[in-house]
Amino acid sequence: EDQVTQSPEALRLQEGESSSLNCSYTVSGLRGLFWYRQDPGKGPEFLFTLYSAGEEKEKERLKATLTKKESFLHITAPKPEDSATYLCAPEGDTGRRALTFGSGTRLQVQP
Amino acid sequence: DTAVSQTPKYLVTQMGNDKSIKCEQNLGHDTMYWYKQDSKKFLKIMFSYNNKELIINETVPNRFSPKSPDKAHLNLHINSLELGDSAVYFCASSTVNTGELFFGEGSRLTVL
Repeated sequence: EDQVTQSPEALRLQEGESSSLNCSYTVSGLRGLFWYRQDPGKGPEFLFTLYSAGEEKEKERLKATLTKKESFLHITAPKPEDSATYLCAPEGDTGRRALTFGSGTRLQVQP
Repeated sequence: DTAVSQTPKYLVTQMGNDKSIKCEQNLGHDTMYWYKQDSKKFLKIMFSYNNKELIINETVPNRFSPKSPDKAHLNLHINSLELGDSAVYFCASSTVNTGELFFGEGSRLTVL
C-alpha cells in the first residue's frame, strides 16, 4: 500500500526566509511524484511531476527534487502569496491512475 | 471559463437525507474522479471513471453512487446521509496519460 508522510505539518516563515518541505514516500514502482498547492476554500492546483530520482523542476520561487524515498519542495525567498498548503502525492505502478496524497504542509509567509 | 466546475459549493442537510453533487469538465479529459477531503485535510480517492466506465471504486459505503452520463460529467449521489459524511468533496479530471489532476473548487457537505 502506498504511504506518504509530509513534514512539517505547519511552517511559518518571514518573507525572504528560504526553507524546504519534505515528502517521504513508500510506493511499489514509482510512476510519478506530484506536488500540488491548495489555497483555503479551493481545490488543489498542480505544480510539478517528478519521474525519477535526481530529477529537479523549478517554477518561480519553488524547486522540487526527488530521491528514491523522498521529495523536497524548496522555497527560495518566499513571498506572502506563497502562503498555502502544499500537498505531495506519489503514484505507484499499480496499473491504475490514483494518487495517494499526504496531509500537506501548511505554509504561512509573513511580510 | 471554469475548467472543472462542481455544484453546489455548499450543502447543509439533516441526517438521513439524500443529496447529489454535480461535476462538469470542459478540458476534453477522458478520466474523472471524486476525492473526499476530511477535517484533517487528508485527500482520499473515492471513485474514478474513464470514458464513462467505472475503473476505481475504493472502500466507500454503497450509499455513495457515482454516475457518469458522458465523459464530461460525473455526478455523486449520496443516500441516507450520516454525520461522518461531512467533508469537502472534490471532483477532478485528467488525461489517462499524464495523471495530472485538475480539481474543481470543492463542495462542502455538512450533515447535521
